[in-house]
Amino acid sequence: KAGVTQTPRYLIKTRGQQVTLSCSPISGHRSVSWYQQTPGQGLQFLFEYFSETQRNKGNFPGRFSGRQFSNSRSEMNVSTLELGDSALYLCASSLEGRASNGQTQYFGPGTRLLVL
Amino acid sequence: GQQVMQIPQYQHVQEGEDFTTYCNSSTTLSNIQWYKQRPGGHPVFLIQLVKSGEVKKQKRLTFQFGEAKKNSSLHITATQTTDVGTYFCAAYSSASKIIFGSGTRLSIRP
Repeated sequence: KAGVTQTPRYLIKTRGQQVTLSCSPISGHRSVSWYQQTPGQGLQFLFEYFSETQRNKGNFPGRFSGRQFSNSRSEMNVSTLELGDSALYLCASSLEGRASNGQTQYFGPGTRLLVL
Repeated sequence: GQQVMQIPQYQHVQEGEDFTTYCNSSTTLSNIQWYKQRPGGHPVFLIQLVKSGEVKKQKRLTFQFGEAKKNSSLHITATQTTDVGTYFCAAYSSASKIIFGSGTRLSIRP
């Protein structure tokens, strides 16, 4: 079974631009969570989607948004990029239920975003 | 709000020595998971602990969940070079919030 895939793997943007990242979960997995990883802040939870609905949200500004499609694929969007948004963005899928309830999460390779 | 402290931040050991990382929460946890991230890689699930006082073993790795469900530890016996990486705890509270520890980066001298 194929793992979690994320596209693109690397991205360079400039301040003020917006970006859309894509995540395809493991086949059959219905829950998708997004995380931001930086050297200074570590792994921080962005949001979780299940059956096209956002079920949990971390403490990030409204510039960070996401959605999930009927095939469980998910996208996250960051508008008006800031230098501090440079990070590795990780997507994780789990079979069902809430990731926050301890479902095993399978992480993708991440998208490394650099904002100049 | 809920905080999860993970210590130490770094650990550099001689191959064959033991290694331990600790996670401490300010609130009672419903469960805790441990992940390993190799350099340049992504987090990989290791184990989940749910019960108070639970101890689980995976070969040279021993995971413990405290009696009060506020702390957890991961102990590696006789480290090998393949153990290199950053170990994270992921804490889950009854409020359904996920918080990752800051991670402990393990490096090993051959």
